Amino acid sequence: EVQVVESGGGLVKPGGSLRLSCTASGFIGFSFVNAWMYWARQAPGEGLEWVGLITSKNEGETTDYAAPVKGRFTISRDDSRNTIYLQMDSLRSEDTAVYYCSTGYDPWPHWGQGTVVTVS
Amino acid sequence: DTVLTQSPISLAVTPGEPASISCRSTQSLVSNGYKYLDWYLQKPGQSPQILIYLGSNRASGVPDRFSGSGSGTDFTLRISRVEAEDAGIYYCMHARPNPTFGQGTRVEIK
Repeated sequence: EVQVVESGGGLVKPGGSLRLSCTASGFIGFSFVNAWMYWARQAPGEGLEWVGLITSKNEGETTDYAAPVKGRFTISRDDSRNTIYLQMDSLRSEDTAVYYCSTGYDPWPHWGQGTVVTVS
Repeated sequence: DTVLTQSPISLAVTPGEPASISCRSTQSLVSNGYKYLDWYLQKPGQSPQILIYLGSNRASGVPDRFSGSGSGTDFTLRISRVEAEDAGIYYCMHARPNPTFGQGTRVEIK
């Protein structure tokens, strides 16, 4: 069974930085190296918002970001650790949210329980 | 950018009755032969749980009263007979190539 675990959340001051990690294991149909991986977030009382994605190494480890975080957030991956990272810089109060990591289709997306980021 | 619009925004359903939620997109959600539209249910304090993936495929463990259909820009989630445990917020999500979520539909049980 695929398991996804996020970590690294916490309290940070506006303008500060934080790095989140997401480790996935138990892939069935394919290995982590072939997986697209995603970050999403949910501000208190709000809906889900996509943050960014990273494609597989074979597809160039291409990244894409939602407009509100572009230029401030960076996603990277370490396939040897089955882990992706979300480097968050120049944090703002509106970045306060639960941050979720999810996998691509194996055969369906798998989500973690989330990690809380508070910017205050 | 692709925008997903769900309707209705909220829904109150009597147990045993059917329910359906629509998700409409400003662009086709079909790419490389795949319908990149998934449905999630989020209960309070929990992460989203996958119900339907790639348009019409039920994830393991999801009751067969849930079904997904649609193509192109119009997709629908149906619950054949609502149960009390189905309460929560339902989201549609487009995963590739430009991910986005619908705004959510709150389902309450009468």
